[in-house]
Amino acid sequence: DVQLVQSGAEVKKPGESLKISCKGSGYSFSSYWIAWVRQMPGKGLEWLGIIYPGDSKTRYSPSFQGQVTISADKSIGTAYLQWSSLKASDTAIYYCARHVSTVLPFDYWGQGTLVTVSS
Amino acid sequence: EIVLTQSPATLSLSPGERATLSCGASQSVSSSYLAWYQQKAGLAPRLLIYDASIRAAGIPDRFSGSGSGTDFTLTISRLEPEDFAVYFCQQYSSSSPLTFGGGTKVEIK
Repeated sequence: DVQLVQSGAEVKKPGESLKISCKGSGYSFSSYWIAWVRQMPGKGLEWLGIIYPGDSKTRYSPSFQGQVTISADKSIGTAYLQWSSLKASDTAIYYCARHVSTVLPFDYWGQGTLVTVSS
Repeated sequence: EIVLTQSPATLSLSPGERATLSCGASQSVSSSYLAWYQQKAGLAPRLLIYDASIRAAGIPDRFSGSGSGTDFTLTISRLEPEDFAVYFCQQYSSSSPLTFGGGTKVEIK
């Protein structure tokens, strides 16, 4: 079975760094895009960007370019989303999701990682 | 960037009734690259429909999608108790940043 398993909830202070993960299993991890999606409390879905683990090619939403970094380690089947300096406004649930291709939607999603940034 | 506007924001219906959800795009969505997702409280979204009208694997046939260009519709023919949730549309045109609509909440009347 295809599974995307994300790392656990995090509580951080403003200015701290953070890296969360998404581990894929049950399919060829290198051959499918992984997207990251933000959902702020009680709000809708926002696309941050995508990565193709096979060659680490990335594409970012203009709204999030420079705010986050997406990476992947295909040897361990894991994608990452990281911040160098968190803000309170980064408080949200972050989902990873699989894309068969960039002209198909997300067919599998991780369970989400809650990131809370508070002083 | 293509902006997607969903309406209504909230739909209050009873089980057994028909639900019609709309998604309007600020510019034409190429090749009908539009999907619908269902999200229940505390859970990740689930893919229902892609390419505007194709049901994803395992999705009941009471869910149907239609539309093209800038106007798309998700129809639930007869609401089951498990269908009360929030629904999002998404466009995934490769020539534009991927975007989601703001969501429609289908609640029990």
